[in-house]
Amino acid sequence: TQLLEQSPQFLSIQEGENLTVYCNSSSVFSSLQWYRQEPGEGPVLLVTVVTGGEVKKLKRLTFQFGDARKDSSLHITAAQPGDTGLYLCAGGRTNDYKLSFGAGTTVTVRA
Amino acid sequence: GAGVSQSPRYKVAKRGQDVALRCDPISGHVSLFWYQQALGQGPEFLTYFQNEAQLDKSGLPSDRFFAERPEGSVSTLKIQRTQQEDSAVYLCASSLDLGQGVDEQFFGPGTRLTVL
Repeated sequence: TQLLEQSPQFLSIQEGENLTVYCNSSSVFSSLQWYRQEPGEGPVLLVTVVTGGEVKKLKRLTFQFGDARKDSSLHITAAQPGDTGLYLCAGGRTNDYKLSFGAGTTVTVRA
Repeated sequence: GAGVSQSPRYKVAKRGQDVALRCDPISGHVSLFWYQQALGQGPEFLTYFQNEAQLDKSGLPSDRFFAERPEGSVSTLKIQRTQQEDSAVYLCASSLDLGQGVDEQFFGPGTRLTVL
């Protein structure tokens, strides 16, 4: 049972289009991390957000943490084939070493 | 190498066999985690070490799963009498500090275990 629900589960778009992935929970987290995982590899951290309402931009990627720190979104502008991968959100709590992962969103960007 | 390494990368076992999966964390990292990732799912926490101490093993599915980190560096996850439901990718991660939620965890490439 995963505390974080991600949607959609799969997303296939054309190069140049925009996309948004959502991560929702009924629990409050002190931090929310987004990872990207490619086939045969472990997840790689993209960003950590810690403040409710926080927005972080990483080139064409925009991450937002909800005001109540229960949800987050990842928006990719002008997607490229290199953005293809499994995007995972993971929630953390202060003084708790565990990360709770969502099931992931598989993004495919077609050239 | 600079990253977390795991071996073997792939393991095929017959049901009932014992397997041992190895993790070499980043040198100097205090915290070490094991996760299980089933096909189409996100990683699920198995166990956590702070140096050589196993502080949490609440995620281990059964007493057939055992993990150790005797010298606070390399860790081994052992699965006894493997079952088909054990088939998954086993990920190891390490972090520099005490493994609090905001610390970055660096993941290895995983070991894909297939139990026939």
